[in-house]
Amino acid sequence: EAGVAQSPRYKIIEKRQSVAFWCNPISGHATLYWYQQILGQGPKLLIQFQNNGVVDDSQLPKDRFSAERLKGVDSTLKIQPAKLEDSAVYLCASSSRLGSKVGELFFGEGSRLTVL
Amino acid sequence: AQKITQTQPGMFVQEKEAVTLDCTYDTSDPSYGLFWYKQPSSGEMIFLIYQGSYDQQNATEGRYSLNFQKARKSANLVISASQLGDSAMYFCAMREWSNAGNMLTFGGGTRLMVKP
Repeated sequence: EAGVAQSPRYKIIEKRQSVAFWCNPISGHATLYWYQQILGQGPKLLIQFQNNGVVDDSQLPKDRFSAERLKGVDSTLKIQPAKLEDSAVYLCASSSRLGSKVGELFFGEGSRLTVL
Repeated sequence: AQKITQTQPGMFVQEKEAVTLDCTYDTSDPSYGLFWYKQPSSGEMIFLIYQGSYDQQNATEGRYSLNFQKARKSANLVISASQLGDSAMYFCAMREWSNAGNMLTFGGGTRLMVKP
């Protein structure tokens, strides 16, 4: 079974530029999450999708961050314009209640963003 | 208020010895799940063990066991017979089932270093 795919793995941009990250969840997983992990901290949820609908985006800085999951499969997270404090690893995860553990999340390898 | 607290930023353990990583949580939801994830330096989040709030017995998965003390709201991870490959960040996380999103909330993590 293929895991959660993310790209790019690494991205370096200057502040005020824009960047986009892509995620393809495990096949059949209806729920998709984007987490932000700042160095030395635990992951923080940015947005959660159920199929192509948003379930929770209360911690998404909507003035600069946007995310979509148009067909209920893959998803894109965009930052525009980027700030220095956006430097972090952006983790995508998916889950299915049909999994072996109740609500277990499967994570991708993450996209590491450095804003200069 | 912090929902998940991990009070040990870093810990050392001698190879082959057991180690306990602390986790306390805060919730008023009677139905919740507790998870432990391992994050090696490569960055991926690896699921280790799950404990449901109504589970009667402490969860075990190979060398991992969860010391679940519901009244104290603690869910400590015990790793027996530590190996060099156990060196990583460890995150405790909670899912509250009454929340519409059922998302995982993570603690700040503990860095475990196994000494040869």
